[in-house]
Amino acid sequence: EVQLMESGGGLVQPGGSLRLSCAASGFSFSSYWMTWVRQTPGKGLYWVANIDQDGNERYYGDSVKGRFTISRDNAKRSLYLQMNSLRTEDTGVYFCTGGGYNKYWGQGTLVTVSS
Amino acid sequence: QAVVTQEPSLTVSPGGTVTLTCGSSAGDVTSGQDPYWYQQRPGQAPKTLIYATSNRHSWTPARVSGSLLGGKAALTLSGAQPEDEADYYCLLLFDGAWVFGGGTKLTVL
Repeated sequence: EVQLMESGGGLVQPGGSLRLSCAASGFSFSSYWMTWVRQTPGKGLYWVANIDQDGNERYYGDSVKGRFTISRDNAKRSLYLQMNSLRTEDTGVYFCTGGGYNKYWGQGTLVTVSS
Repeated sequence: QAVVTQEPSLTVSPGGTVTLTCGSSAGDVTSGQDPYWYQQRPGQAPKTLIYATSNRHSWTPARVSGSLLGGKAALTLSGAQPEDEADYYCLLLFDGAWVFGGGTKLTVL
């Protein structure tokens, strides 16, 4: 069974940092680009970042560029998102997705940035 | 950065057909922008229905189809079922950047 399981969310103050993880199983993780997508409560989807199979190519949404870093560890079948200098507008549910044409999605982890 | 636009809400009768569209402020949507369509039911993660304009995943019903229509990407649902009631998001690619539309809330009534 394919699974993507995010973890690491929580409550953090503005300016703080958080590291999200996404553990993959049931598919050939190292063969695919992977992506983080954010959903603001009650609102739509926003592309945060994606990374190629080897971690050599990384792309970011404009609002997170310079603050967030996407990475992966293929040996551990895991995807990461290091989030620094967090702002209140970064609040939302963070999903990881991948597996070829966004085939698989995790259930998300909630990040709340608030004082 | 381009803005991707969708109808905020649509209603379809059970058994009816409805078309959702996805436009771009940068001009006509083309197949080069690899339009994607996602379905999201309340409390669930998004599910990818269509990729690269018109390709279905194995779980996508045959009555759901994607196309380019009048300069926009389009998602057509035929024979609407109660379980089609959900939010639908499109995604377009702009030089490596992903841009989601604001979503369409589809009601089956």
